[in-house]
Amino acid sequence: SAVISQKPSRDICQRGTSLTIQCQVDSQVTMMFWYRQQPGQSLTLIATANQGSEATYESGFVIDKFPISRPNLTFSTLTVSNMSPEDSSIYLCSGGGQGGLEQYFGPGTRLTVT
Amino acid sequence: KQEVTQIPAALSVPEGENLVLNCSFTDSAIYNLQWFRQDPGKGLTSLLLIQSSQREQTSGRLNASLDKSSGRSTLYIAASQPGDSATYLCAVRPSGNQFYFGTGTSLTVIP
Repeated sequence: SAVISQKPSRDICQRGTSLTIQCQVDSQVTMMFWYRQQPGQSLTLIATANQGSEATYESGFVIDKFPISRPNLTFSTLTVSNMSPEDSSIYLCSGGGQGGLEQYFGPGTRLTVT
Repeated sequence: KQEVTQIPAALSVPEGENLVLNCSFTDSAIYNLQWFRQDPGKGLTSLLLIQSSQREQTSGRLNASLDKSSGRSTLYIAASQPGDSATYLCAVRPSGNQFYFGTGTSLTVIP
C-alpha cells in the first residue's frame, strides 16, 4: 500500500490569490491524480499528473486555473489560481498503479475562499 | 461516459444490524471496483478492491460483491457499530486509469 500526505491540510484564502497544494507519496507510484470534492458532493477528477510532462485535464478544468507539476514519481503539486468563493472545496490527491491496481488517497486539503 | 449511482443516499440503523449498500454503474467494461470510506472533512480510506474477474472480497465485517454483467456491486456490513458511521463511496475504473465515483451513502449507526 501507499501512504499519501498533503500540505496544507486546510487554508482560508482571499479572493484573487493562489494556493499551491503539495502531495507526497511514500513510495513510487505510476499514476497520480487530483480530485475536487465540493460541499455535499462526490469526487470529480481535475487532472492526471504526468511525470515530466504536462498534466492531462478533464473537461471543465484548464491548466491556467489549475497548474499541476509532477517532477518525480512520488511528488506532485496543484495550484488553484486566481481563486473565487466557488473554488471552496476539498482537494484530494491520489496515487496508484495502472490498470487493476488499488488507488490510495491523501487526507485532503480543505480550502475556503472568502 | 461511466455513471455511478449509489442507493440509498442516506441510511440510519441501530447498532448491531447487518446492512447492505448498493452501487450501480452503466458500463460493465471495468478493470475493478473499489469501496471507500470517508469521515466528515477527511480523505478517503480504501476498504475493498474487487478486480473485474472476481465476484467478491472480504475484510473483517465487510464483504463486497461484484456482478459486472448487471453493473452492480454491494457492500455488506455485518454487526454494525457506531464507529462505522461515515460516507461510503464506490468507484469504478473503466479501461484507462480514471476512477468514476458514486454520490455516496451516508451511514449513521445509532448506539
